[in-house]
Amino acid sequence: GAGVSQSPSNKVTEKGKDVELRCDPISGHTALYWYRQSLGQGLEFLIYFQGNSAPDKSGLPSDRFSAERTGGSVSTLTIQRTQQEDSAVYLCASSLGWLSSRSYNEQFFGPGTRLTVL
Amino acid sequence: KQEVTQIPAALSVPEGENLVLNCSFTDSAIYNLQWFRQDPGKGLTSLLLIQSSQREQTSGRLNASLDKSSGRSTLYIAASQPGDSATYLCASREGGADGLTFGKGTHLIIQP
Repeated sequence: GAGVSQSPSNKVTEKGKDVELRCDPISGHTALYWYRQSLGQGLEFLIYFQGNSAPDKSGLPSDRFSAERTGGSVSTLTIQRTQQEDSAVYLCASSLGWLSSRSYNEQFFGPGTRLTVL
Repeated sequence: KQEVTQIPAALSVPEGENLVLNCSFTDSAIYNLQWFRQDPGKGLTSLLLIQSSQREQTSGRLNASLDKSSGRSTLYIAASQPGDSATYLCASREGGADGLTFGKGTHLIIQP
């Protein structure tokens, strides 16, 4: 596609419900990243995929958060038993890959999913 | 742990002025530094990417510089326009890190 797409654009849910956020990266990009943007915390990195593999999940805020990527393309971020502090904008980014050459490192962001937990 | 600081937090200037946004980082062992703009309610738009071996990058009216030894980067905007109004974010990628570390941004308003 022309850019990174995310769905839904907005999600309102009740505390305790599970939610699933989707990211479709730029075609051909092997690296995919999830970030969270909240008023108090700014932008924080959550998890990175190279292909379908996520080498380090320590950036996920709690064990209620999980992420997967299949087919080296679409990724889903799942939040179980949502809490009010999970309310934020969840941003996805992709890049060509992780190499030392210039063009591979630039990250391109999607429009985000605004999650509101009531 | 890397810390990225952006000064000023907010800036309002008349149209046509040249301006400089500042970004500082505590860990100089970075792979690259990227500048973004974010419009209200939108995602991030990449403006410039500077590799650790580079000192500056230019795109149109924008020029970004990088001084690793002092832990500083600047974004220079020439002949500012009302359409430049946005929040500008800088982010670094350090050795051993997978994601970017962001500053809290500079909220820029260009007055017509």
